Amino acid sequence: QVQLQESGPGLVKPSETLSLTCTVSGDSISSSFWNWIRQPAGKGLEWIGRIYTIYTSGSTNYNPSLKSRVTMSVDTSKSQFSLRLTSVTAADTAVYYCARGEHDFDFWGQGTLVTVSS
Amino acid sequence: DVVMTQSPLSLPVTLGQPASISCRSSQSLVYSDGNTYLNWFQQRPGQSPRRLIYKVSNRDSGVPDRFSGSGSGTDFTLKISRVEAEDVGVYYCMQGTLWPRNFGQGTKLEIK
Repeated sequence: QVQLQESGPGLVKPSETLSLTCTVSGDSISSSFWNWIRQPAGKGLEWIGRIYTIYTSGSTNYNPSLKSRVTMSVDTSKSQFSLRLTSVTAADTAVYYCARGEHDFDFWGQGTLVTVSS
Repeated sequence: DVVMTQSPLSLPVTLGQPASISCRSSQSLVYSDGNTYLNWFQQRPGQSPRRLIYKVSNRDSGVPDRFSGSGSGTDFTLKISRVEAEDVGVYYCMQGTLWPRNFGQGTKLEIK
């Protein structure tokens, strides 16, 4: 069974950088597509971007709405992929999920709440 | 960006009765490989989203057969034949054809 687990600080100060990691088990991180999605409290789902290493050393696609602030990376040796979001504001407060999939997302992590506050 | 529009946004249903959620996209979701990547997710209170349906009408393993998906092009529907208490939650459609990937606003299903 594929499992994903998000980890990282639950509190980030405004203007600083949010950093999260997703650890994958039950599947090779080199054989699929890995996504970040977020959900502000009481609101809908927003796709942030994806990373994959199929035929590449690490290719990414980002949501244009966040592209200038987002960087994703992958560590195949640890079966982990990561998200960095710079210059955060209160609007970035959300539950952040990682999920597997190219055209759809079949496995999700449990999510991690990140609050942006001083 | 493609816009995904769900209706209704709130869906009160009596137990045992059917329910239907519409999802319309502003552009065709037919991909170059011929597939239509329209998915449905269920998010129960306090849980992560769970995929129910992929490629319009394919039910995921473990999803009760009272859930069904249909549609084509830009117009899609999720139907629940007989609503049960465990179906309470928010349902999202999501397109995986165009960039960026995106979701509908969500439909909140509650029991009357």
